[in-house]
Amino acid sequence: SQQGEEDPQALSIQEGENATMNCSYKTSINNLQWYRQNSGRGLVHLILIRSNEREKHSGRLRVTLDTSKKSSSLLITASRAADTASYFCATDSVGGANNLFFGTGTRLTVIP
Amino acid sequence: DAGVIQSPRHEVTEMGQEVTLRCKPISGHNSLFWYRQTMMRGLELLIYFNNNVPIDDSGMPEDRFSAKMPNASFSTLKIQPSEPRDSAVYFCASSHRQYGYTFGSGTRLTVV
Repeated sequence: SQQGEEDPQALSIQEGENATMNCSYKTSINNLQWYRQNSGRGLVHLILIRSNEREKHSGRLRVTLDTSKKSSSLLITASRAADTASYFCATDSVGGANNLFFGTGTRLTVIP
Repeated sequence: DAGVIQSPRHEVTEMGQEVTLRCKPISGHNSLFWYRQTMMRGLELLIYFNNNVPIDDSGMPEDRFSAKMPNASFSTLKIQPSEPRDSAVYFCASSHRQYGYTFGSGTRLTVV
């Protein structure tokens, strides 16, 4: 399976702290994406990083990609209670079709 | 744009009944995806379409599941007959190329 695996499965932090979530995958990719899902809602696209990029920023989000280790990390700085959600990484496949494979997700709880 | 629109939001049906889930993708997006999400299996890709043509339906669990996309603005996922193990949240997503998926709010299906 190409499905990514996030760790930790669950993370609980205090508001203001940084949250780091990791993702590992199995095959070569064109890009890796991170999504957020609030309880009972659909997934929301956060950021896309291409295989030739090593780091990308968007507001309080910082994503890194290490293709040699087939891993990525999502850092949320200065977390807020509103960041409480599940976070998923998703990968495509080189030479594959236009579909994404989602990981199992990290459940982040930010305590006010 | 109102985003990806799914209906109904909730569906409760008896085992053996036919269930039809509907999706309206974002205008201009050429790819449409149907996913199923459960606690046990996470997000599973069921089928996806490019330019209204089914590309990969290998994720469809069995012949009870079928999906159509008669035009660029509408898709259906049908389960006939439904079974309790089909209970899940079904998401539709659309994208233009691979620049991030936009998900609908999902249909929560309960088969009793």
